[in-house]
Amino acid sequence: DAGVTQSPTHLIKTRGQQVTLRCSPISGHKSVSWYQQVLGQGPQFIFQYYEKEERGRGNFPDRFSARQFPNYSSELNVNALLLGDSALYLCASSPWTGGTEAFFGQGTRLTVV
Amino acid sequence: QKEVEQNSGPLSVPEGAIASLNCTYSDRGSQSFFWYRQYSGKSPELIMSIYSNGDKEDGRFTAQLNKASQYVSLLIRDSQPSDSATYLCAVKGNTGKLIFGQGTTLQVKP
Repeated sequence: DAGVTQSPTHLIKTRGQQVTLRCSPISGHKSVSWYQQVLGQGPQFIFQYYEKEERGRGNFPDRFSARQFPNYSSELNVNALLLGDSALYLCASSPWTGGTEAFFGQGTRLTVV
Repeated sequence: QKEVEQNSGPLSVPEGAIASLNCTYSDRGSQSFFWYRQYSGKSPELIMSIYSNGDKEDGRFTAQLNKASQYVSLLIRDSQPSDSATYLCAVKGNTGKLIFGQGTTLQVKP
């Protein structure tokens, strides 16, 4: 079975640009969450989606947005990129919300120059 | 106070020894507890989940949970050089949001 897939794996953008990251969850999983991990820190929660509805939002500026599609895949958009947005962006897949296990994709390494 | 705290390490153990990784959390409403392993440059990989007080064993790994003390630990028996990685403790409440500690770097020396 395919695991969580994210694209692209690496990305270099210029300050002020916009970026879209994509995630396909494990088949049968309906919840997708996004996390940002900067070097030396644990992942920080950005968004959670379940059944195409936003179920949680972390402490990130409005430049960050996301959506989930009918096939449960998801996109994370970041506008007006800052140098500080450089990080590993992780997508986590779960069957539903709540206390169930979450499985991560390989991540997208975003570098803002 | 951080919501989930781990000693960043590095924790260095000889091959074959037991590695003990610890984590404390602040939210008493937390319901689910996870350990992820993360190799350098890679994404976190789920290795253990625990939901009730006590011990849970899976191969060389044992997770321990004490909700009264708000404490979670991971024991790795017969540590191997391939176990060298960063171990992330994560906690979930009923919102489904994972809250991570900063991770403990484990070094297993041959």
